[in-house]
Amino acid sequence: GAGVSQSPSNKVTEKGKDVELRCDPISGHTALYWYRQRLGQGLEFLIYFQGNSAPDKSGLPSDRFSAERTGESVSTLTIQRTQQEDSAVYLCASSLDPGMNTEAFFGQGTRLTVV
Amino acid sequence: DAKTTQPTSMDCAEGRAANLPCNHSTISGNEYVYWYRQIHSQGPQYIIHGLKNNETNEMASLIITEDRKSSTLILPHATLRDTAVYYCIVRVWGAGANSKLTFGKGITLSVRP
Repeated sequence: GAGVSQSPSNKVTEKGKDVELRCDPISGHTALYWYRQRLGQGLEFLIYFQGNSAPDKSGLPSDRFSAERTGESVSTLTIQRTQQEDSAVYLCASSLDPGMNTEAFFGQGTRLTVV
Repeated sequence: DAKTTQPTSMDCAEGRAANLPCNHSTISGNEYVYWYRQIHSQGPQYIIHGLKNNETNEMASLIITEDRKSSTLILPHATLRDTAVYYCIVRVWGAGANSKLTFGKGITLSVRP
């Protein structure tokens, strides 16, 4: 498929465990976003990768959250010592141009449940 | 720090036009208006964007007032599949932190048979 791919689609983890979420953007897309969406809520910005520039990490809620992206390829979002409030759908989006001025394509998300 | 204001919800009859309003009274000259929608259990989907001229594509039309302080997204013939949350977003054109997509609460459109 040519869309944004996220894995796993669902993840259930025990409180205190670390989790890693993966996003494969559309090939050639230089910009990549991570968002969090709690049940019944809107999208909460987490982090933004823009080409080779330093990422905008201003949305990460705590130091338990981190994300990496190698070049213009896959990105991973890591949550350490998960808490129940981390339960949400984590969405990834990518865009062809660095400023995401044109269409941003979203993946289907990873549904994280912390028990 | 929402820059847009939308009603919480609205509904319309299938086959009729759905007109979704958005207020953005503090919009700057270099900010564009974007619309995305999110159908239940799916990721958001881009619909359309514009600066000051009206725009139309295969999905919708975007009407921006002359003072740019408000806009309306028009779905000309709404179908049941258009039931979704619609987000109106203003953002700076260009690269950099100020250009990131920031989603508000959106408006829930319910299309009834």
